[in-house]
Amino acid sequence: QSALTQPPSASGSPGQSVTISCTGTSSDVGGYNYVSWYQQHPGKAPKLMIYEVSKRPSGVPDRFSGSKSGNTASLTVSGLQAEDEADYYCSSYAGSNSYVVFGGGTKLTVL
Amino acid sequence: EVQLVQSGAEVKKPGESLKISCKGSGYSFTSYWIGWVRQMPGKGLEWMGIIYPGDSDTRYSPSFQGQVTISADKSISTAYLQWSSLKASDTAMYYCARRVVGLYYFDYWGQGTLVTVSS
Repeated sequence: QSALTQPPSASGSPGQSVTISCTGTSSDVGGYNYVSWYQQHPGKAPKLMIYEVSKRPSGVPDRFSGSKSGNTASLTVSGLQAEDEADYYCSSYAGSNSYVVFGGGTKLTVL
Repeated sequence: EVQLVQSGAEVKKPGESLKISCKGSGYSFTSYWIGWVRQMPGKGLEWMGIIYPGDSDTRYSPSFQGQVTISADKSISTAYLQWSSLKASDTAMYYCARRVVGLYYFDYWGQGTLVTVSS
């Protein structure tokens, strides 16, 4: 199974919106509504931000939203804040054996 | 409060064996999957495998099958990741994380265990 494809970097100014893409195949992203997104600050463990394409866990600001079209999922961060600067990883269920695949990660910079 | 507490950092030599742990608390340990995720220095996340402590059902990523062993002791709410013969390329941060049965995301994560393999 290959990793999902994410852009290495993304950026935006405070208050702006930024969208990060995550491209897979019909065997993972396109085949299931089990895309999730994680935020990771330097030296910290990942944190779940979005699950099942567009659902937010309790405590995650509604500035974070997720969507999917075909084999590509997206994470949108609206009203960018300095604390949103982090690495973001997508992941998707990939079928047999409970296998999950991650994306390569996107470093989000708040300018 | 759900917590996953991992064992401390390890420094090992190539060829040595190692077992790191992940202790769950604040929830029913036998009712959730525990997964392991590797993060090599400066790199992304890699899904290694997962275990259901209730019956020890274990699944591995093809990339890690045969390279590591995942186990659990439900009597002490602890999951393990072990190597029989470490390589320098095993140097990484290893995270354990909890997954709800029937769902495919990790909702709680351990703090990570840094494994350094160097001669």
